Amino acid sequence: DAKTTQPNSMESNEEEPVHLPCNHSTISGTDYIHWYRQLPSQGPEYVIHGLTSNVNNRMASLAIAEDRKSSTLILHRATLRDAAVYYCILSWQGGKLIFGQGTELSVKP
Amino acid sequence: DTGVSQDPRHKITKRGQNVTFRCDPISEHNRLYWYRQTLGQGPEFLTYFQNEAQLEKSRLLSDRFSAERPKGSFSTLEIQRTEQGDSAMYLCASSLGRKGLEQFFGPGTRLTVL
Repeated sequence: DAKTTQPNSMESNEEEPVHLPCNHSTISGTDYIHWYRQLPSQGPEYVIHGLTSNVNNRMASLAIAEDRKSSTLILHRATLRDAAVYYCILSWQGGKLIFGQGTELSVKP
Repeated sequence: DTGVSQDPRHKITKRGQNVTFRCDPISEHNRLYWYRQTLGQGPEFLTYFQNEAQLEKSRLLSDRFSAERPKGSFSTLEIQRTEQGDSAMYLCASSLGRKGLEQFFGPGTRLTVL
């Protein structure tokens, strides 16, 4: 299973943009890049996914490098409710998710 | 509420007892997944079903663990002869499979083995 590397933790100020990086140098051509987040005491929650092109949805944007070996999740304006562990995951379409350690994001008021 | 539900939310048991957890997925979802999460770690994949067929089992899933999805709707996860190392949060998720990559997770069942 392809692996991802993320920083253990990041800090952000409320109302500011946050860029969460992920390295996945062993990604294969069929791997989708998924981001999930997990708030305290809750199950993981889908954030966004992409294959090759950058993606936007109401929660975030996903910027994918041209060689697909890295990606960045962008939260445009962090709120206190965005404090969570963010997981970057590679997965074949519709398949199991292999979670790593994730990045614990803290948001300061 | 049309999300994924799990029952019970909490279970405390003594070592050696059997426990069973239930997951009710979103009704039109054909894929159902089980994950386990211990404190401070990301969730670990255990097994998944497409309709009633169990398509993959993790090597983490010992012989004491069994999962079923008899009619392709709800699923049960049974742990026999529980051990203290089984203490964890057991998460269920569902998806539309090839028609939808997004997995929707339930709130989990927290198991404590004394």
